Amino acid sequence: DTEVTQTPKHLVMGMTNKKSLKCEQHMGHRAMYWYKQKAKKPPELMFVYSYEKLSINESVPSRFSPECPNSSLLNLHLHALQPEDSALYLCASSQSTGVLSYNSPLHFGNGTRLTVT
Amino acid sequence: GQQVMQIPQYQHVQEGEDFTTYCNSSTTLSNIQWYKQRPGGHPVFLIQLVKSGEVKKQKRLTFQFGEAKKNSSLHITATQTTDVGTYFCAGLRGGSNYKLTFGKGTLLTVNP
Repeated sequence: DTEVTQTPKHLVMGMTNKKSLKCEQHMGHRAMYWYKQKAKKPPELMFVYSYEKLSINESVPSRFSPECPNSSLLNLHLHALQPEDSALYLCASSQSTGVLSYNSPLHFGNGTRLTVT
Repeated sequence: GQQVMQIPQYQHVQEGEDFTTYCNSSTTLSNIQWYKQRPGGHPVFLIQLVKSGEVKKQKRLTFQFGEAKKNSSLHITATQTTDVGTYFCAGLRGGSNYKLTFGKGTLLTVNP
């Protein structure tokens, strides 16, 4: 079981579709993250939000648009994706001891398995 | 940029055998974290090491952080089928609180 909830679990979308991934945590964590994971690879950082503000964008293409409506929620809006964007998208959260801190462990959600056709 | 090398990439053992995975960083780390990802699952935090030479144990798992804070290892004694999964180390570069760098992971399979 995980305390970070992601929906949907699976998503199939066409290259012209617009969809959103959702993530929710109620642990009071003030840092939230989006990671992308391809098969047999480690997670790759995409975005970091700290205290609801976007702190890090790892040069992610604009077809991925993150949003943090409040301290518990994190969304990832998808538009005009490519087949190579198919992957497991993981949300994570962590306690933040400062403006931005990785000194506390990441709590991952179950992920959304995305297929772009 | 910082790299965290992890070996071996794959390890297949008979149940009851021991297993070790190693991580080596090109730069000094302020801490290293270990995660386990079961097949089809998500990474789950196992432990964090902060101090030079630190050793921590969790039942059959022993984690070590090198004296120079550039390498780490995870050792499992007497593997069980429940140990199957990919073990990732993730290092935080010294002087930075910016980004965890994940190793490529070691996939452990256990033959019952």
